[in-house]
Amino acid sequence: ETGVTQTPRHLVMGMTNKKSLKCEQHLGHNAMYWYKQSAKKPLELMFVYNFKEQTENNSVPSRFSPECPNSSHLFLHLHTLQPEDSALYLCASSQEGIDTQYFGPGTRLTVL
Amino acid sequence: AQSVTQLGSHVSVSEGALVLLRCNYSSSVPPYLFWYVQYPNQGLQLLLKYTSAATLVKGINGFEAEFKKSETSFHLTKPSAHMSDAAEYFCAVSEGTGNQFYFGTGTSLTVIP
Repeated sequence: ETGVTQTPRHLVMGMTNKKSLKCEQHLGHNAMYWYKQSAKKPLELMFVYNFKEQTENNSVPSRFSPECPNSSHLFLHLHTLQPEDSALYLCASSQEGIDTQYFGPGTRLTVL
Repeated sequence: AQSVTQLGSHVSVSEGALVLLRCNYSSSVPPYLFWYVQYPNQGLQLLLKYTSAATLVKGINGFEAEFKKSETSFHLTKPSAHMSDAAEYFCAVSEGTGNQFYFGTGTSLTVIP
């Protein structure tokens, strides 16, 4: 596969469930990002990883827990989410020093 | 701090007509500017970017944008709209370091046959 892939593409979960979103980039980049996209709102940057180290955490609730085991993979672990967490979650990657971000197709999350 | 304003959350044009999507930014340093397009149920795809070279930037699918420092604008244009251009368009700004992107709220483009 090429580019940035995300799985699953759709996820429905209850508020007590635990689930994980997965992102994989095949571009040789060393920075990866999680964004939340809600209707009528700007994209919200959630987390940034550079060379597997987390460099940004924009006041994201602890029910979202990122994990970056290597520069190609990024996970977002979800636990006891709220209905307002329903959104499209986008993963992106970039090369350090080169600003362009490349996005995956997103995971459409619905919290019941 | 940086920010992006996209004027008009919805724009409708007739097929074959000029497309103009507006973007204004604020930045304390020379910015890097981007336009992304998002089709339904897909992620964001880079259309074009400005990184302090030529002020008129050409992108994919016939789109182009002009950086105007005096107006702090980076409007996106296409001479002739095609039905396949119907999508959500996002303007973004970055300082070029620190991995921080700031996105606008998006403009939904409808193309009328």
